[in-house]
Amino acid sequence: DTGVSQDPRHKITKRGQNVTFRCDPISEHNRLYWYRQTLGQGPEFLTYFQNEAQLEKSRLLSDRFSAERPKGSFSTLEIQRTEQGDSAMYLCASNHRRGYEPQETQYFGPGTRLLVL
Amino acid sequence: AQKITQTQPGMFVQEKEAVTLDCTYDTSDPSYGLFWYKQPSSGEMIFLIYQGSYDQQNATEGRYSLNFQKARKSANLVISASQLGDSAMYFCAMRTNRDDKIIFGKGTRLHILP
Repeated sequence: DTGVSQDPRHKITKRGQNVTFRCDPISEHNRLYWYRQTLGQGPEFLTYFQNEAQLEKSRLLSDRFSAERPKGSFSTLEIQRTEQGDSAMYLCASNHRRGYEPQETQYFGPGTRLLVL
Repeated sequence: AQKITQTQPGMFVQEKEAVTLDCTYDTSDPSYGLFWYKQPSSGEMIFLIYQGSYDQQNATEGRYSLNFQKARKSANLVISASQLGDSAMYFCAMRTNRDDKIIFGKGTRLHILP
């Protein structure tokens, strides 16, 4: 039983560079979520997909951020022209949701820690 | 607006004692779910327990139980017989019926002392 995986686990980059993170959800999960967690805070929602469709984007997701899930399986999160304020843990989660089921938890990956110098 | 409040930034508890982590929430949606997650230093969010807004009984999962007081909008986590491995950050979270994202509190860092 494989859980949610994320790659890379750590990324150090210089300000102004582009970075891309990958998330592989639990197989057959139709929903995939991205969260950002800064030091001392809880995770904050960024965006989510149902299959290939990106259904919601937070206002936290500036124009420099783009997320895709082209085949409804893995997803990528790209940050262009990184800034020091982008330094955070980027968490991916997945679940399989049918209808209105608020009890469904989301299963989280180990996260990607980004440090922008 | 939906909000989760955790007022305890940190707690120190002696091993084998019970510990209660506080959580209050705010939502106008009548149907919602409350979650507790554990985040060890490795960073992964581990799901612990769930309570539905219409559930009549408090949720329990092994050593974890959720003290759900709907009128007070409170969802405290109780860990019985604490262990050294319980040392971690603990997040209270909520999801409403009409929303798909989970909203998290700021967390409580729990330290279990030997």
